[in-house]
Amino acid sequence: DTAVSQTPKYLVTQMGNDKSIKCEQNLGHDTMYWYKQDSKKFLKIMFSYNNKELIINETVPNRFSPKSPDKAHLNLHINSLELGDSAVYFCASSQGTSGLTQFFGPGTRLTVL
Amino acid sequence: SQQGEEDPQALSIQEGENATMNCSYKTSINNLQWYRQNSGRGLVHLILIRSNEREKHSGRLRVTLDTSKKSSSLLITASRAADTASYFCATTTSGTYKYIFGTGTRLKVLA
Repeated sequence: DTAVSQTPKYLVTQMGNDKSIKCEQNLGHDTMYWYKQDSKKFLKIMFSYNNKELIINETVPNRFSPKSPDKAHLNLHINSLELGDSAVYFCASSQGTSGLTQFFGPGTRLTVL
Repeated sequence: SQQGEEDPQALSIQEGENATMNCSYKTSINNLQWYRQNSGRGLVHLILIRSNEREKHSGRLRVTLDTSKKSSSLLITASRAADTASYFCATTTSGTYKYIFGTGTRLKVLA
Protein backbone atom coordinates (compact mmCIF):
# COMPACT_ATOMS: atom_id res chain seq x y z
CA ASP A 1 0.00 0.00 0.00
CA THR A 2 2.63 2.46 -1.16
CA ALA A 3 1.29 6.02 -1.17
CA VAL A 4 3.13 7.37 -4.23
CA SER A 5 4.71 4.85 -6.56
CA GLN A 6 6.84 5.30 -9.65
CA THR A 7 7.94 2.90 -12.33
CA PRO A 8 10.54 2.09 -13.30
CA LYS A 9 12.97 2.69 -10.44
CA TYR A 10 15.95 2.63 -12.78
CA LEU A 11 16.04 3.47 -16.46
CA VAL A 12 19.15 3.21 -18.60
CA THR A 13 18.82 4.15 -22.24
CA GLN A 14 20.66 5.48 -25.27
CA MET A 15 20.66 9.07 -26.46
CA GLY A 16 17.87 9.78 -28.88
CA ASN A 17 15.44 7.23 -27.45
CA ASP A 18 11.96 8.01 -26.15
CA LYS A 19 10.99 6.83 -22.67
CA SER A 20 8.16 7.16 -20.17
CA ILE A 21 8.02 7.20 -16.39
CA LYS A 22 4.77 6.42 -14.64
CA CYS A 23 3.47 7.72 -11.34
CA GLU A 24 0.46 6.71 -9.31
CA GLN A 25 -0.81 7.90 -5.94
CA ASN A 26 -3.45 6.22 -3.80
CA LEU A 27 -3.84 9.06 -1.31
CA GLY A 28 -6.86 10.62 -2.99
CA HIS A 29 -4.89 13.81 -3.66
CA ASP A 30 -5.92 16.16 -6.44
CA THR A 31 -2.51 17.67 -7.25
CA MET A 32 0.56 15.90 -8.62
CA TYR A 33 4.05 17.08 -9.49
CA TRP A 34 7.19 16.09 -11.34
CA TYR A 35 10.57 17.17 -10.03
CA LYS A 36 14.07 16.71 -11.40
CA GLN A 37 16.97 16.22 -8.98
CA ASP A 38 20.37 16.66 -10.53
CA SER A 39 23.73 15.29 -9.44
CA LYS A 40 24.19 18.19 -7.01
CA LYS A 41 20.87 17.31 -5.35
CA PHE A 42 19.11 20.44 -6.62
CA LEU A 43 15.41 19.64 -6.72
CA LYS A 44 13.53 21.60 -9.36
CA ILE A 45 9.83 21.59 -10.15
CA MET A 46 9.01 20.67 -13.72
CA PHE A 47 5.24 20.27 -13.92
CA SER A 48 2.18 20.21 -11.73
CA TYR A 49 -1.36 19.07 -12.41
CA ASN A 50 -4.43 19.86 -10.36
CA ASN A 51 -7.51 17.77 -11.16
CA LYS A 52 -5.89 16.77 -14.45
CA GLU A 53 -5.27 20.40 -15.42
CA LEU A 54 -1.73 21.66 -15.96
CA ILE A 55 -1.01 24.46 -13.47
CA ILE A 56 2.78 24.63 -13.45
CA ASN A 57 4.93 24.29 -16.52
CA GLU A 58 8.44 25.44 -15.81
CA THR A 59 11.04 26.19 -18.42
CA VAL A 60 11.38 22.61 -19.51
CA PRO A 61 12.30 21.50 -23.04
CA ASN A 62 9.22 20.51 -24.99
CA ARG A 63 10.75 17.05 -25.35
CA PHE A 64 9.20 16.52 -21.91
CA SER A 65 5.46 15.98 -21.97
CA PRO A 66 3.40 15.16 -18.90
CA LYS A 67 0.10 13.35 -19.17
CA SER A 68 -2.52 13.00 -16.47
CA PRO A 69 -5.19 10.46 -17.47
CA ASP A 70 -6.89 10.89 -14.08
CA LYS A 71 -6.24 12.50 -10.70
CA ALA A 72 -4.33 9.49 -9.43
CA HIS A 73 -1.84 9.26 -12.29
CA LEU A 74 0.75 11.59 -13.77
CA ASN A 75 3.09 10.17 -16.36
CA LEU A 76 6.15 11.79 -17.88
CA HIS A 77 7.17 11.10 -21.45
CA ILE A 78 10.56 12.21 -22.71
CA ASN A 79 11.41 12.31 -26.41
CA SER A 80 14.85 12.30 -27.99
CA LEU A 81 16.70 11.78 -24.74
CA GLU A 82 19.93 13.73 -24.21
CA LEU A 83 22.87 13.19 -21.88
CA GLY A 84 21.79 16.15 -19.76
CA ASP A 85 18.49 14.46 -19.00
CA SER A 86 20.30 12.04 -16.71
CA ALA A 87 18.96 12.70 -13.22
CA VAL A 88 16.58 11.34 -10.63
CA TYR A 89 12.95 12.20 -11.36
CA PHE A 90 10.53 12.40 -8.46
CA CYS A 91 6.78 12.38 -8.56
CA ALA A 92 4.87 13.94 -5.67
CA SER A 93 1.28 14.63 -4.70
CA SER A 94 -0.58 16.92 -2.34
CA GLN A 95 -4.14 17.73 -1.46
CA GLY A 96 -4.88 21.13 -2.91
CA THR A 97 -2.48 23.70 -4.25
CA SER A 98 -2.07 25.93 -1.24
CA GLY A 99 1.39 24.77 -0.32
CA LEU A 100 0.69 21.99 2.11
CA THR A 101 2.55 18.74 2.64
CA GLN A 102 3.80 16.92 -0.42
CA PHE A 103 4.23 13.18 -0.52
CA PHE A 104 7.06 11.96 -2.70
CA GLY A 105 7.58 8.82 -4.69
CA PRO A 106 10.83 6.82 -4.42
CA GLY A 107 12.28 8.36 -7.57
CA THR A 108 13.33 7.09 -10.98
CA ARG A 109 17.03 7.23 -11.75
CA LEU A 110 17.40 7.94 -15.47
CA THR A 111 20.79 7.39 -17.06
CA VAL A 112 21.26 8.41 -20.67
CA LEU A 113 24.31 6.90 -22.37
CA SER B 1 17.46 32.08 -9.23
CA GLN B 2 14.70 31.45 -6.74
CA GLN B 3 16.56 28.54 -5.25
CA GLY B 4 16.82 28.77 -1.48
CA GLU B 5 20.14 28.18 0.14
CA GLU B 6 20.99 26.04 3.07
CA ASP B 7 24.02 25.95 5.23
CA PRO B 8 26.05 24.21 6.04
CA GLN B 9 26.18 22.11 2.89
CA ALA B 10 27.44 19.21 4.97
CA LEU B 11 27.51 18.52 8.68
CA SER B 12 29.10 15.67 10.58
CA ILE B 13 28.38 15.16 14.28
CA GLN B 14 28.53 12.49 16.96
CA GLU B 15 25.45 10.62 18.07
CA GLY B 16 23.77 12.43 20.93
CA GLU B 17 24.85 15.88 19.78
CA ASN B 18 22.47 18.49 18.40
CA ALA B 19 22.43 19.36 14.71
CA THR B 20 21.43 22.79 13.42
CA MET B 21 20.94 23.64 9.79
CA ASN B 22 19.81 26.90 8.28
CA CYS B 23 17.78 27.90 5.28
CA SER B 24 17.61 31.29 3.61
CA TYR B 25 15.12 32.23 0.94
CA LYS B 26 14.51 35.19 -1.31
CA THR B 27 10.82 36.07 -1.54
CA SER B 28 7.92 36.54 0.85
CA ILE B 29 6.46 33.18 1.76
CA ASN B 30 3.21 31.53 2.70
CA ASN B 31 4.84 28.76 4.63
CA LEU B 32 8.12 26.90 4.94
CA GLN B 33 8.56 23.17 5.21
CA TRP B 34 11.44 20.88 6.03
CA TYR B 35 11.93 17.55 4.32
CA ARG B 36 14.36 14.69 4.86
CA GLN B 37 15.83 12.56 2.09
CA ASN B 38 17.57 9.32 2.88
CA SER B 39 20.09 8.13 0.32
CA GLY B 40 18.38 6.76 -2.76
CA ARG B 41 14.91 7.59 -1.50
CA GLY B 42 12.21 10.20 -1.99
CA LEU B 43 11.69 13.16 0.30
CA VAL B 44 9.73 12.80 3.51
CA HIS B 45 7.90 15.72 5.07
CA LEU B 46 9.06 16.62 8.58
CA ILE B 47 7.43 19.84 9.66
CA LEU B 48 5.60 22.89 8.31
CA ILE B 49 5.76 26.39 9.77
CA ARG B 50 3.48 29.14 8.56
CA SER B 51 4.66 32.67 7.88
CA ASN B 52 2.89 34.00 10.99
CA GLU B 53 4.57 31.46 13.27
CA ARG B 54 7.99 31.88 14.82
CA GLU B 55 8.72 28.46 16.28
CA LYS B 56 7.40 24.96 16.03
CA HIS B 57 8.28 21.65 17.67
CA SER B 58 7.78 18.07 16.64
CA GLY B 59 9.44 15.41 18.75
CA ARG B 60 13.20 16.04 18.57
CA LEU B 61 12.75 18.67 15.87
CA ARG B 62 12.58 22.38 16.48
CA VAL B 63 12.04 24.83 13.64
CA THR B 64 12.30 28.60 13.84
CA LEU B 65 11.30 31.15 11.26
CA ASP B 66 12.46 34.74 10.97
CA THR B 67 10.58 36.37 8.11
CA SER B 68 12.42 39.67 8.56
CA LYS B 69 15.69 37.89 7.78
CA LYS B 70 14.06 35.47 5.35
CA SER B 71 15.58 32.53 7.16
CA SER B 72 14.67 29.39 9.05
CA SER B 73 16.59 26.91 11.13
CA LEU B 74 16.04 23.24 11.87
CA LEU B 75 17.40 21.85 15.10
CA ILE B 76 17.58 18.12 15.68
CA THR B 77 18.28 17.33 19.31
CA ALA B 78 19.97 14.21 20.65
CA SER B 79 20.82 13.04 17.14
CA ARG B 80 20.87 9.37 16.18
CA ALA B 81 22.67 7.49 13.44
CA ALA B 82 19.26 7.06 11.76
CA ASP B 83 19.06 10.86 11.34
CA THR B 84 21.82 10.61 8.70
CA ALA B 85 20.21 12.06 5.58
CA SER B 86 19.93 15.21 3.48
CA TYR B 87 17.60 17.88 4.79
CA PHE B 88 15.83 20.36 2.53
CA CYS B 89 13.72 23.40 3.19
CA ALA B 90 10.91 24.26 0.81
CA THR B 91 8.96 27.48 0.59
CA THR B 92 5.64 28.34 -0.99
CA THR B 93 4.40 31.79 -1.90
CA SER B 94 0.82 33.02 -1.90
CA GLY B 95 -0.68 33.08 -5.34
CA THR B 96 1.63 30.48 -6.80
CA TYR B 97 1.51 26.72 -6.68
CA LYS B 98 5.25 26.21 -6.63
CA TYR B 99 7.43 24.75 -3.93
CA ILE B 100 10.94 26.17 -4.06
CA PHE B 101 13.46 23.82 -2.52
CA GLY B 102 16.74 24.77 -0.91
CA THR B 103 20.06 23.26 -1.86
CA GLY B 104 20.04 20.84 1.08
CA THR B 105 22.27 20.01 4.04
CA ARG B 106 23.88 16.57 4.17
CA LEU B 107 23.91 15.44 7.78
CA LYS B 108 26.03 12.54 8.94
CA VAL B 109 25.60 11.27 12.47
CA LEU B 110 28.45 9.08 13.64
CA ALA B 111 27.67 6.24 16.01
